[in-house]
Amino acid sequence: DTGVSQDPRHKITKRGQNVTFRCDPISEHNRLYWYRQTLGQGPEFLTYFQNEAQLEKSRLLSDRFSAERPKGSFSTLEIQRTEQGDSAMYLCASSDSANQPQHFGDGTRLSIL
Amino acid sequence: GQNIDQPTEMTATEGAIVQINCTYQTSGFNGLFWYQQHAGEAPTFLSYNVLDGLEEKGRFSSFLSRSKGYSYLLLKELQMKDSASYLCAVRTNAGKSTFGDGTTLTVKP
Repeated sequence: DTGVSQDPRHKITKRGQNVTFRCDPISEHNRLYWYRQTLGQGPEFLTYFQNEAQLEKSRLLSDRFSAERPKGSFSTLEIQRTEQGDSAMYLCASSDSANQPQHFGDGTRLSIL
Repeated sequence: GQNIDQPTEMTATEGAIVQINCTYQTSGFNGLFWYQQHAGEAPTFLSYNVLDGLEEKGRFSSFLSRSKGYSYLLLKELQMKDSASYLCAVRTNAGKSTFGDGTTLTVKP
């Protein structure tokens, strides 16, 4: 068990570009969550999966954000046409059931130039 | 929706005890979690409560009162390494968790 892994750790891109992040959860964890965190704030819920099914997506997310978990293992989060306001830390977490605590990865820090 | 309130900052002395409060309003409550987050790092799980009462885990304890929408995290025998942000998170029946903005604790010698 190597914990939740996220890639890349840092991403710097120009406004308007598309970016994709990857999350590998703890093996056999069927729940996977994506959060966004900015300085001085707590993690903000984006979306979550149970196996390959996306169960909920935050209403705060625009259509530029999409997430997938095609085989119920790793997940990707894509942001299209990035904007300055997308600069944040993107955190992934997993748990083995709805009743267990979430384990977080180290996050991907996105900077938009 | 959900509303979670915690103090923004607290300061305490090494070796002392500190209590960090969290109040919440939610529908479909299904558990309250406490996480610790050091600057630049991911949150790490500390404790959680589903039923009313006190859960003790070494130097850390967490208390929950569902009728009052209130929880606290108690840290004993404070160490310098306990300086961090402490996040309160409420989980609903749907399995989704909402986080507060965290309490930044500074431990001074």
